[in-house]
Amino acid sequence: KAGVTQTPRYLIKTRGQQVTLSCSPISGHRSVSWYQQTPGQGLQFLFEYFSETQRNKGNFPGRFSGRQFSNSRSEMNVSTLELGDSALYLCASSLGVYNEQFFGPGTRLTVL
Amino acid sequence: GQQLNQSPQSMFIQEGEDVSMNCTSSSIFNTWLWYKQEPGEGPVLLIALYKAGELTSNGRLTAQFGITRKDSFLNISASIPSDVGIYFCAGLYSGNTPLVFGKGTRLSVIA
Repeated sequence: KAGVTQTPRYLIKTRGQQVTLSCSPISGHRSVSWYQQTPGQGLQFLFEYFSETQRNKGNFPGRFSGRQFSNSRSEMNVSTLELGDSALYLCASSLGVYNEQFFGPGTRLTVL
Repeated sequence: GQQLNQSPQSMFIQEGEDVSMNCTSSSIFNTWLWYKQEPGEGPVLLIALYKAGELTSNGRLTAQFGITRKDSFLNISASIPSDVGIYFCAGLYSGNTPLVFGKGTRLSVIA
């Protein structure tokens, strides 16, 4: 069974631009969560989607948004990029909201 | 909000030694998960625990769900160089709350 895939793996943007990251969950998984990982802050929860509905949202500004499609694939968008948005963005999928999460390899975003 | 305190922050051990790390919280959790992350990759699930007192093994790894539901432990026996990485604990209270992660234990193994 294929794992969680994330595209692109690496991205370089400049301040003020916007970016869209994509996540394809494990086949059959309906829940997708997004995390931001930085050396200083560790894994910070961004949001969680289940059956196209956002169920939980972390403490991030409104510049961070996401959505989930009917095939469970998910995208997250960051608008008006700031230097501090440079991080590894991780997507994780699970069968349901009570199940263990499986992570993708992440998208490394660098904002210059 | 819920927070997990993971310790130690880092460890340097000799190959062949056993390793112990733990995670504590002021809140109870109903599921504990342990992940390992290597450079440039996403975390990989090692062990999942669902019941207080549960002891589960995965090869040389053994994890326990604390009886109070506020802590969990991970032990690695006879460490080898490929055990190097960052180990994260994560706790889940319910399906209506997000997974909460500890800040990780960075393990270095000296051959």
